[in-house]
Amino acid sequence: QKEVEQNSGPLSVPEGAIASLNCTYSDRGSQSFFWYRQYSGKSPELIMSIYSNGDKEDGRFTAQLNKASQYVSLLIRDSQPSDSATYLCAVPSGGSYIPTFGRGTSLIVHP
Amino acid sequence: NAGVTQTPKFQVLKTGQSMTLQCAQDMNHNSMYWYRQDPGMGLRLIYYSASEGTTDKGEVPNGYNVSRLNKREFSLRLESAAPSQTSVYFCASSDPPFRGGGEKLFFGSGTQLSVL
Repeated sequence: QKEVEQNSGPLSVPEGAIASLNCTYSDRGSQSFFWYRQYSGKSPELIMSIYSNGDKEDGRFTAQLNKASQYVSLLIRDSQPSDSATYLCAVPSGGSYIPTFGRGTSLIVHP
Repeated sequence: NAGVTQTPKFQVLKTGQSMTLQCAQDMNHNSMYWYRQDPGMGLRLIYYSASEGTTDKGEVPNGYNVSRLNKREFSLRLESAAPSQTSVYFCASSDPPFRGGGEKLFFGSGTQLSVL
């Protein structure tokens, strides 16, 4: 059973809209949470990390963490076609420092 | 500013052939990893090395071996390739964990491997 779950999508949003990507995890002891972006045919790239409940903002990206409900989300404001990619949620669990990856959500931003 | 370098980028093997995927990082990271990525399966950890001289199995180690040659280099070997090993392979290295732990991974560009 996968410990990190994501909707595979695709999630399709118009240019300029807010894209909301969600991730749930099973280990209540997890302390750190990561979002990676992967363009088609390319390698994953870390875009956000969050460690505390609440929101963390970085430019157009906001990561939201709710440990009580065991979910972490990524909001992309003013979505651009260049944001079209697969977004991977990664959470270390089981006492390990090594992240377990979700299967990723495909985002399509159409003009 | 190379980061994590993987070779080769593409490889086609016949069933039963062997090969080694090479990985090197120039960021002075202690930890290195090998992942495979299959459609619909996400990234799955094959092996990792927490430091020079140590290696450990990940989620899907069967059919693979690894060598941590030194702090910079971590290789993945397929002794007898099988069609089920057709995949994209990524090497990664990471910063030391901090705060609540959890490694930030830096990935190489990947190797597309096809086993016929």
